Amino acid sequence: KAGVTQTPRYLIKTRGQQVTLSCSPISGHRSVSWYQQTPGQGLQFLFEYFSETQRNKGNFPGRFSGRQFSNSRSEMNVSTLELGDSALYLCASSLGATGSSYEQYFGPGTRLTVT
Amino acid sequence: AQKITQTQPGMFVQEKEAVTLDCTYDTSDPSYGLFWYKQPSSGEMIFLIYQGSYDQQNATEGRYSLNFQKARKSANLVISASQLGDSAMYFCAMREGGSLSGSARQLTFGSGTQLTVLP
Repeated sequence: KAGVTQTPRYLIKTRGQQVTLSCSPISGHRSVSWYQQTPGQGLQFLFEYFSETQRNKGNFPGRFSGRQFSNSRSEMNVSTLELGDSALYLCASSLGATGSSYEQYFGPGTRLTVT
Repeated sequence: AQKITQTQPGMFVQEKEAVTLDCTYDTSDPSYGLFWYKQPSSGEMIFLIYQGSYDQQNATEGRYSLNFQKARKSANLVISASQLGDSAMYFCAMREGGSLSGSARQLTFGSGTQLTVLP
C-alpha cells in the first residue's frame, strides 16, 4: 500500500506570494492533518480534515487555509507569505474513525523557503 | 503548561546497548493516546509505537517498548539493542479525545530528543 505523498517536496517563494501544497493520504484513510515544523516552534498543528470538512484548526492566522476533496486528497494554501512561514509542512493521514487509537502516518513533508 | 515534555534534548548511546527516552505528559482527559515518532534527517515522521490510556499492558513493537506509568503521567520509550540507523530525532506525542467523531484528533508533540548511536 502506498504511503502518504506530498508535493512538491521543496519550494522557494518570495515574501508576499502565495503557495499551495498538496497531500495524498494512504488509500482508505479519510482524515488528513497538517502540521508546521520550525526549529523555533517545533511541531504545531495547523488543521484537520475529515470527509471534506475541517474538523479542527490550530492557532494560525487566516492566511493559512486548506481543503479536502472527495477522494480525501488535501491541499493547504498560504497567502501573503512571510519569512516566518519558512518551515517543513507535514501532512498526516489516518483512518479517521472515532476514538484516539488511530495512529497518523506522515508524509515526507514539503520544505518551504520564503525569501 | 506544556502538555508533552521531553527533558533530554540530546542523548548518546553505544551501539547494541539499550536506551530510554523520557516523556511526561499532562492531561485531564481520561481518554488519550500516546505516540512515539522517529524523524531522521530526511524529515519524514515514522510512527514507532502507540499506547492507549486504557491499555493495561505496556506496548511493544520489535525493539521498541513503551514504559507507561499512568499515575506518574510518564510514557518513556525504550529502544533495545541500538543500531546506527536509530540515530534520529524522536518525538513523543499525545492525542486527547473521547469517543465522539468530532473530537480533536490533533497530535501535540514534545520538543524532541536527538539520539545519536555511537559505533
